[in-house]
Amino acid sequence: ETGVTQTPRHLVMGMTNKKSLKCEQHLGHNAMYWYKQSAKKPLELMFVYNFKEQTENNSVPSRFSPECPNSSHLFLHLHTLQPEDSALYLCASSQDRDGGKDTQYFGPGTRLTVL
Amino acid sequence: GQSLEQPSEVTAVEGAIVQINCTYQTSGFYGLSWYQQHDGGAPTFLSYNALDGLEETGRFSSFLSRSDSYGYLLLQELQMKDSASYFCAGVHGSSNTGKLIFGQGTTLQVKP
Repeated sequence: ETGVTQTPRHLVMGMTNKKSLKCEQHLGHNAMYWYKQSAKKPLELMFVYNFKEQTENNSVPSRFSPECPNSSHLFLHLHTLQPEDSALYLCASSQDRDGGKDTQYFGPGTRLTVL
Repeated sequence: GQSLEQPSEVTAVEGAIVQINCTYQTSGFYGLSWYQQHDGGAPTFLSYNALDGLEETGRFSSFLSRSDSYGYLLLQELQMKDSASYFCAGVHGSSNTGKLIFGQGTTLQVKP
């Protein structure tokens, strides 16, 4: 247990569905991240929130919409996804945004399949 | 651009030593981190090098040479539980906007 939980762990959705991924961290951290992990590809940073403010959007398509209501919770709202969006979506948190000094703690991920 | 290169797979036997190399082409990296990910699990932090040289943490050591844009993770006294994927990640940005740029990962298989 890393102190970062994600729900659901598995999700299958159609291209016309709307769903949300949830992440919660119990570590008192200020920064939270969404990553996408596809087979045979590096982890791709999607969004960064620092003190509930979005500080990074890594050219992510608008069909992915993040929300950070407070420092402990992070959501990723999904709508009209494509099959190529099927991947493992990982949430992470860190004390602050000092990159390497601030170790990132990852959740177990949500395995998303888009049909 | 920003990219990190690692071997895709490494195989070693229990008790041996293995080195996983990471080379990077980028500007603005100010350190190198290593993460371990077991199959089906979350990536977990192993080490961070902000300065050139060797950092040792138990059986694992990590090395960085910024002038050569090169680092490695050294795993000693390999155990079966070390079978996992290992990612190097360049630390990009400044001290309060830092982010990790990950390599593709190296799958380590430890055999009896």
